[in-house]
Amino acid sequence: NAGVTQTPKFQVLKTGQSMTLQCAQDMNHNSMYWYRQDPGMGLRLIYYSASEGTTDKGEVPNGYNVSRLNKREFSLRLESAAPSQTSVYFCASIRHLSGANVLTFGAGSRLTVL
Amino acid sequence: AQTVTQSQPEMSVQEAETVTLSCTYDTSESDYYLFWYKQPPSRQMILVIRQEAYKQQNATENRFSVNFQKAAKSFSLKISDSQLGDAAMYFCAYRSRQYGNKLVFGAGTILRVKS
Repeated sequence: NAGVTQTPKFQVLKTGQSMTLQCAQDMNHNSMYWYRQDPGMGLRLIYYSASEGTTDKGEVPNGYNVSRLNKREFSLRLESAAPSQTSVYFCASIRHLSGANVLTFGAGSRLTVL
Repeated sequence: AQTVTQSQPEMSVQEAETVTLSCTYDTSESDYYLFWYKQPPSRQMILVIRQEAYKQQNATENRFSVNFQKAAKSFSLKISDSQLGDAAMYFCAYRSRQYGNKLVFGAGTILRVKS
């Protein structure tokens, strides 16, 4: 099925460990996003990529890195996980750079850092 | 930087009645997009309604409508004839046209529907 696929769905890490959240979309979308969702904080933008080869910081980029590997894939890396990064992470994508096109979200990845 | 504020952490409505969720935003841009998304317990994000800033007419989708006040930077969502299935977290979102499609969300409003 067409859409945004995130892996893994669940992950438990120890403080200081590293991991990468993978995101892929098969809709030929240009722009991709990583958000984190925390209770009472809503969805906060970590990084986004307007097009292949470009990435930009969002509201809360500290402690994260991203890679736009190609048009389909946009990964989020935690180099040294901290308990403050315990959250639900969402990847999303959108097709055009203009026009009110619909944002398509992945199912989310729940990360717990002990 | 663009910001989105939802001042109501939680709202309740009786089934079949009408409820309005508030959203304000801050921007220096003149052209942008606004959205309302619904997130049920399944955590999937569902688009409810969208509004293009250059359009003066308020968007409507079945029981959902918005009151877009550009000068006041206000974008409220009205849900008419509320149904139990409307219970969810609702997010207001702003998408820039100038800054590479940057999309920013508010903190969300939990809507409870009473039978």
